Amino acid sequence: EAGVVQSPRYKIIEKKQPVAFWCNPISGHNTLYWYLQNLGQGPELLIRYENEEAVDDSQLPKDRFSAERLKGVDSTLKIQPAELGDSAVYLCASSLRGGARNTGELFFGEGSRLTVL
Amino acid sequence: GENVEQHPSTLSVQEGDSAVIKCTYSDSASNYFPWYKQELGKGPQLIIDIRSNVGEKKDQRIAVTLNKTAKHFSLHITETQPEDSAVYFCAASKSAGANNLFFGTGTRLTVIP
Repeated sequence: EAGVVQSPRYKIIEKKQPVAFWCNPISGHNTLYWYLQNLGQGPELLIRYENEEAVDDSQLPKDRFSAERLKGVDSTLKIQPAELGDSAVYLCASSLRGGARNTGELFFGEGSRLTVL
Repeated sequence: GENVEQHPSTLSVQEGDSAVIKCTYSDSASNYFPWYKQELGKGPQLIIDIRSNVGEKKDQRIAVTLNKTAKHFSLHITETQPEDSAVYFCAASKSAGANNLFFGTGTRLTVIP
């Protein structure tokens, strides 16, 4: 079974430029998460989707960050414009919520490492 | 919101020795406590979890203990092997899958052959 796929793995941009990250969750997983991981820190939730609906986006800086999950499958996370402090790893995760197979386990992708110069 | 603290930040052990990582949490409503292992260049991967109705859970060389009264939980790895070297994160949530997972700051474990 394929895992969570993210792209690009690495991105280097200059400040004030836009950037977008893409995530393809595990097939059949209805819940998708975007996490921010700063160097030496644990992941912090940016946004959580249940199917197409963003059910928790309280930590998403909405002035520059946006996300979408069209058709309840793939998702994109965009930053425009990027700032120096946005340099971090952006992790996507998916899970199967609801029913007997809901174990609570999050399956993470390998992340997209952003460097803003 | 929930605040999860994790100690130590780094831990080095000799191969074959045991390793213990400790976490505390602040929200008494939390009742799901997973542990994730993150290898270099990879995303975190669940290794074990525990729910508040259980005080201890074991899976081969890995065990987790939970003290709800004191609001702390610990990861125990016995007979450590070099492949155990990674960053370990504890986390807390009000329920498995339904709410935000709050992660600790991580422990970098190095197992010396």
